[in-house]
Amino acid sequence: EVQLLESGGGLVQPGGSLRLSCAASGFTFSSYAVSWVRQAPGKGLEWVSTISGSGGGTFYADSVKGRFTISRDNSKNTLFLQMNSLRAEDTAVYYCAKNRGGLVSTYYFDYWGQGTLVTVSS
Amino acid sequence: QSVLTQPPSVSGAPGQRVTISCTGSSSNIGAGSDVHWYQQLPGTGPKVLIYGYSNRPSGVPDRFSGSKSGTSASLAITGLQAEDEADYYCQSYDSSLSGWVFGGGTRLTVL
Repeated sequence: EVQLLESGGGLVQPGGSLRLSCAASGFTFSSYAVSWVRQAPGKGLEWVSTISGSGGGTFYADSVKGRFTISRDNSKNTLFLQMNSLRAEDTAVYYCAKNRGGLVSTYYFDYWGQGTLVTVSS
Repeated sequence: QSVLTQPPSVSGAPGQRVTISCTGSSSNIGAGSDVHWYQQLPGTGPKVLIYGYSNRPSGVPDRFSGSKSGTSASLAITGLQAEDEADYYCQSYDSSLSGWVFGGGTRLTVL
């Protein structure tokens, strides 16, 4: 059974940093791209970042480019999101999601975690 | 404002059929990028309902179906049930943005 378990969320001041983790199990982690998708309170889903199975390819939404860094440790089946220079508008539930598909134009998210809440406020 | 446009809400009585539209552009759906649909029940993470326009993962009832026409896609739900009450999102890839995009979401109410 595929499981994705996020951790690391919490309250942080504007301009601060936070590191999210996602522990994966139930599939060959290094064979799949994985992503972060966020959802602001009462709002819709927003793709944040994706990393390839090897870690050699990374992709970011314009809203987080230059501030967030995605990485993975395939030896520990864990995905990370380092978030710097946090803003109020980054407040959201952050979901870890496993990617499926061949080409990037066919990618979808076939398994999701339960999410971790990040609140940016003074 | 989302790159993919969905109606904010739809509703139907138990047993009825409803459709949810997802309108894109020439840089996403019109460019041939696949469209996928997700269901999000209150307080839970999203679950994939339809992938690649019309494919259902195992375990998803055949009451759910997807289709595409031009720069739009649709999700149809037949035989509405109370447990279908949820938020539904479409998703695709946008070549202009070089990233994955979601619709704004549609709240389905079962009357």
